[in-house]
Amino acid sequence: EVQLVESGGGLVQPGGSLRLSCAASGFTVSSNYMSWVRQAPGKGLEWVSVIYSGGSTYYADSVKGRFTISRDNSKNTLYLQMNSLRAEDTAVYYCARGVGGGTDYWGQGTLVTVSS
Amino acid sequence: EIVLTQSPATLSLSPGERATLSCRASQSVSSYLAWYQQKPGQAPRLLIYDASNRATGIPARFSGSGSGTDFTLTISSLEPEDFAVYYCQQRSNRIFTFGPGTKVDIK
Repeated sequence: EVQLVESGGGLVQPGGSLRLSCAASGFTVSSNYMSWVRQAPGKGLEWVSVIYSGGSTYYADSVKGRFTISRDNSKNTLYLQMNSLRAEDTAVYYCARGVGGGTDYWGQGTLVTVSS
Repeated sequence: EIVLTQSPATLSLSPGERATLSCRASQSVSSYLAWYQQKPGQAPRLLIYDASNRATGIPARFSGSGSGTDFTLTISSLEPEDFAVYYCQQRSNRIFTFGPGTKVDIK
């Protein structure tokens, strides 16, 4: 059974850093493309970042230069390192598995709150 | 960056009615268009990928069509569990964007 479990969210001050983790089971993270998607309270979905099976990474303009996506194949885990956090980064962050033309499995989400 | 526009923002319908949701891209995305359903407090659920392919376990009342810049999600006969928010998502040049969503609520 495919499962994605995010962790690492919490309250952080503006300018601070946080690292999110997404532990995968039932498949190999390096065999699929993996994305981070966020949703601010009461708002729509916003794509954040993707890492492809070959290792290429891409980012939304809103987080480029501040966030870094990575994976640890030995732990079958996806990460999102978030630096220079802003109030507008406050959201539920989902990790998700991509296959072909869609994202078929999603985690339950982890809440990141950026506030002083 | 490719911008997706969804219309209408809200669709008020009764169970049993047909729902037609639109997604328009600012430039061609070929057939790299997916549709998701999201209910309050839940993660999104993949419905349609590559514009017209139903994801595993998705009922036949959901169908997708279109290519290039204009896409449609049709729900042939609304069930009570279909009232939710629907998002389109494109993947072009390995970058993704979502549309703002269409809320389908009960009339």
